[in-house]
Amino acid sequence: GAVVSQHPSRVICKSGTSVKIECRSLDFQATTMFWYRQFPKQSLMLMATSNEGSKATYEQGVEKDKFLINHASLTLSTLTVTSAHPEDSSFYICSAKGVQGTQYFGPGTRLLVL
Amino acid sequence: GQNIDQPTEMTATEGAIVQINCTYQTSGFNGLFWYQQHAGEAPTFLSYNVLDGLEEKGRFSSFLSRSKGYSYLLLKELQMKDSASYLCAAGPSGNTGKLIFGQGTTLQVKP
Repeated sequence: GAVVSQHPSRVICKSGTSVKIECRSLDFQATTMFWYRQFPKQSLMLMATSNEGSKATYEQGVEKDKFLINHASLTLSTLTVTSAHPEDSSFYICSAKGVQGTQYFGPGTRLLVL
Repeated sequence: GQNIDQPTEMTATEGAIVQINCTYQTSGFNGLFWYQQHAGEAPTFLSYNVLDGLEEKGRFSSFLSRSKGYSYLLLKELQMKDSASYLCAAGPSGNTGKLIFGQGTTLQVKP
């Protein structure tokens, strides 16, 4: 149980384009999902908290207009990186909150912006 | 404030026992999580301690002392595949459910 999928696993895009990443909880419902970014050899950096049916809560310093989050159902949250630039290249990981508040992570999406 | 400290790197020998410590200064959290993260992959859940004491799960055990703000992850009978980063995290926090992560301890298991 507690499986979270993420799609795509890898994406390469040109600078200025937008990229959508999907996060799905496959065998449980998640009212809350989280989006993280991780640079090489660094720890997870929380970007935003995604709550089903309401606006996402962004961490300080994260641009909400650049990183659009939609949590339209209890099993799906999406992160759209708008007008991506090379500095947005990173490993993006989502997690879904399960019982006792345990976060179960998706496999991550590696984004490379050329 | 919220602060979690772990050693950056550790090295151990295959078959041995290693203890990864985590100290924290956070408030309003329910418990302490441990996650394993292999290079290039997402973290996977290892354990969650709410009460003080030792929780054993196979080769991995986790300990929590709330009064001392201290936790450790104990790995027994080390295998090469245990080479990974180990993250401790305090939470979930209040209504947000957020976890506060340490910077992770990179464990290298040598033959």
